[in-house]
Parts: sequence; structure tokens; C-alpha cells
Amino acid sequence: DAKTTQPNSMESNEEEPVHLPCNHSTISGTDYIHWYRQLPSQGPEYVIHGLTSNVNNRMASLAIAEDRKSSTLILHRATLRDAAVYYCIPSEYNFNKFYFGSGTKLNVKP
Amino acid sequence: DAGVIQSPRHEVTEMGQEVTLRCKPISGHNSLFWYRQTMMRGLELLIYFNNNVPIDDSGMPEDRFSAKMPNASFSTLKIQPSEPRDSAVYFCASSFGQGSSYEQYFGPGTRLTVT
Repeated sequence: DAKTTQPNSMESNEEEPVHLPCNHSTISGTDYIHWYRQLPSQGPEYVIHGLTSNVNNRMASLAIAEDRKSSTLILHRATLRDAAVYYCIPSEYNFNKFYFGSGTKLNVKP
Repeated sequence: DAGVIQSPRHEVTEMGQEVTLRCKPISGHNSLFWYRQTMMRGLELLIYFNNNVPIDDSGMPEDRFSAKMPNASFSTLKIQPSEPRDSAVYFCASSFGQGSSYEQYFGPGTRLTVT
């Protein structure tokens, strides 16, 4: 399973974009990159995932480096509700065993 | 659309007692996962099932823990006997398929306190 490195914490102002980085230099060629977030006192929530190409959905965008050793989750306009711990998770191709690291705690200021 | 349902939401029990946690996955999902979250160890995968069959239980901490999935709509995680170090939040998740291209949907969790 690929190891990940994420900043322990980040801070953003409300309604500004946020770029959350993740390094996963040991990722294999068939591992998908998943991002989840966990709001206080709730279960993890799916945000987005991708393999090679950049991905967009209603919640966020995922930018994957060409060598796939890093990725960036982009929240286009942060809201107070986006304050959470964000986890970057490379997932083995044939299995979806997720190994959650310590994630990045995002604080959003009004 | 109902998400993953877990019960009970909170459980307080005494050391040595049996504890049973329950999970109803999202209808149509064929993979089910049990996780445990503590401050010290974060979120850990305990076991996962595909089509009601346990695929990987390498995360189950010891023989006191057991999990079953008798049908596609129900799973249990049992701890017998319980110990204070089992205190944690236990999450159940389900997904539509087994491969890594599938996202997982998590329940609200069961907060277990063993005194």
C-alpha cells in the first residue's frame, strides 16, 4: 500500500479557493487516488477519486500530477461547512482496502 | 435515499460483557467494510466482505472480535469479552463493487465505551 504525506493542518478564508496537497510517491500504476473528508463527529464522506486524468465533481476538483506521485484536492470556494479532516488515500487496483493516514485538518475562517 | 445504517449509535458496557454492533449497507452494494477509529491509531480497516463473504480480516485485532454477514443487507461486529481498550468509534461502510475504482459510503458510526 502506498504511503502518503499530507500537511497536518491548513487554514483558508471563506469563499476563497483551497488547494490541499498530497504526496504519494510509492503509488503503483493502477492505484486509484481517493479523497475523503471527515466532519466533526461524523463518518468519513467521499469527496472525489481519479486514476490519471484530472477529475471534477460538484464538490471539488482533483488534479493529479503527470507522474502520479502527487495530487491536489481543490475546493473552489471554501465554506464554513468544508472545515474537516481531509484524507488522501491511494487504493490498490483489485481491492478497495483504504488505509487512512492522519490527513489534513482544514480550518475555514469567516 | 437511505445511507448506511448503524445501530446502536452509542453503547456503554462493562468490561467482560459481549457487545454487538449492527450495520445495514446501502441497498445494491455488494462490499461491506468495518473500521475502527481512535485518537491514537486513527481510522483502521478491520475486515471487509464481498458478496457476503469475508475477503480480508487481517485488521481484526484479536480473537475477541468476530464479524458476520448473513445476507446482503445485514452485518454484525461482535466483541466478546469486551475490554476498555476496545473503546472507539466503529464505522461501517459499503460500496457498489470490490475494485479500487469504487467509492465507499460510511455510516454515522457507533461510539463504544467499555468501562
